[in-house]
Amino acid sequence: KAGVTQTPRYLIKTRGQQVTLSCSPISGHRSVSWYQQTPGQGLQFLFEYFSETQRNKGNFPGRFSGRQFSNSRSEMNVSTLELGDSALYLCASSLQSSTSTDTQYFGPGTRLTVL
Amino acid sequence: QKEVEQNSGPLSVPEGAIASLNCTYSDRGSQSFFWYRQYSGKSPELIMSIYSNGDKEDGRFTAQLNKASQYVSLLIRDSQPSDSATYLCAAHSGSARQLTFGSGTQLTVLP
Repeated sequence: KAGVTQTPRYLIKTRGQQVTLSCSPISGHRSVSWYQQTPGQGLQFLFEYFSETQRNKGNFPGRFSGRQFSNSRSEMNVSTLELGDSALYLCASSLQSSTSTDTQYFGPGTRLTVL
Repeated sequence: QKEVEQNSGPLSVPEGAIASLNCTYSDRGSQSFFWYRQYSGKSPELIMSIYSNGDKEDGRFTAQLNKASQYVSLLIRDSQPSDSATYLCAAHSGSARQLTFGSGTQLTVLP
């Protein structure tokens, strides 16, 4: 079974631009979570989608948004990019989010650099 | 603020030794716990999950959970240089429906 895929793998943008990142979960997985990883802050939760609905959101500004499609693929968007948005953006999928024992599997990540 | 704390490291052990990684969590509502391994420049890879008090063994890895002490640990027996990586502890709260990660412990296994 194929793992979680993320595109693009690398991205360079300039301040003020916007960016869209894509994530395809493991086949059959319905929950997709997004994380931001930086050397200073570690892995921080952005949001989680299940059946096209955002079920949970982390403490990030409204410039960070996302959505999930009927095939469970998800996109996240960052508008008005800032230098501090440079990070590794990770997507993780899980079978379902109705139980706390649900295991998340990570994709390879998208490395975003904001100049 | 629900937190997961890991011993700061970095941690160095000789090849063949036991590496011990520790983690505490503040949210008593956390019900499941995970250890991920992350190589430099790569994404986190699941090593083990644990849900019940006690030990859980998988090959050279043993996870230990003590909910009363809010403590999780990972033991790596017969450590190999290929085990050199950052180990991330994560706690999942059913009510919050999110994983909270510790800052990670960098492990180096010396040949």
